[in-house]
Amino acid sequence: DAGITQSPRHKVTETGTPVTLRCHQTENHRYMYWYRQDPGHGLRLIHYSYGVKDTDKGEVSDGYSVSRSKTEDFLLTLESATSSQTSVYFCAIGKESTNTEAFFGQGTRLTVV
Amino acid sequence: GQSLEQPSEVTAVEGAIVQINCTYQTSGFYGLSWYQQHDGGAPTFLSYNGLDGLEETGRFSSFLSRSDSYGYLLLQELQMKDSASYFCVSQRGATNKLIFGTGTLLAVQP
Repeated sequence: DAGITQSPRHKVTETGTPVTLRCHQTENHRYMYWYRQDPGHGLRLIHYSYGVKDTDKGEVSDGYSVSRSKTEDFLLTLESATSSQTSVYFCAIGKESTNTEAFFGQGTRLTVV
Repeated sequence: GQSLEQPSEVTAVEGAIVQINCTYQTSGFYGLSWYQQHDGGAPTFLSYNGLDGLEETGRFSSFLSRSDSYGYLLLQELQMKDSASYFCVSQRGATNKLIFGTGTLLAVQP
């Protein structure tokens, strides 16, 4: 297994509260990604990182921010959670840009009530 | 736009061959990958095409035509365990942005 860990694996939070999801890797891979998966929408890119302190927006970045202060950690923050952010969140890591093989974490199921 | 279009569902029988098509938009396009995801699991990488042509990996093959903005995944000798969702993924730009297609749910029947 690629060394990628998401935490927490499950979380229930209230509307309006801040939430931070953590993605940790032990592979020293350059690229890291955050996706959300909802029924009928597949996986949608939220934000991604192509190096320490280098991040960019994905398809559905509104309401989310990210931080990558060191290679191994990529944090996803919901500043003020809304019910529409109830989803399964996947983190992924990628080593090279030449073949796009990305390794995914096991996902975090977030419920906003 | 950055969308990739796939059929939503495909059904086939064990032992058969099935092809899952994917059309993509060309802006910043570098290459096309395919991922498999079983229900409740995480996506796993299957193959990548950076150049036109066919890539073969065991029972799975993937094809890319840049001139047609089109690719496909070919699954041969289907097995029940191949029942899963399959996603084409476009690699965009020098920063390796990965955009997933809408996904195809493959049901393999006995």
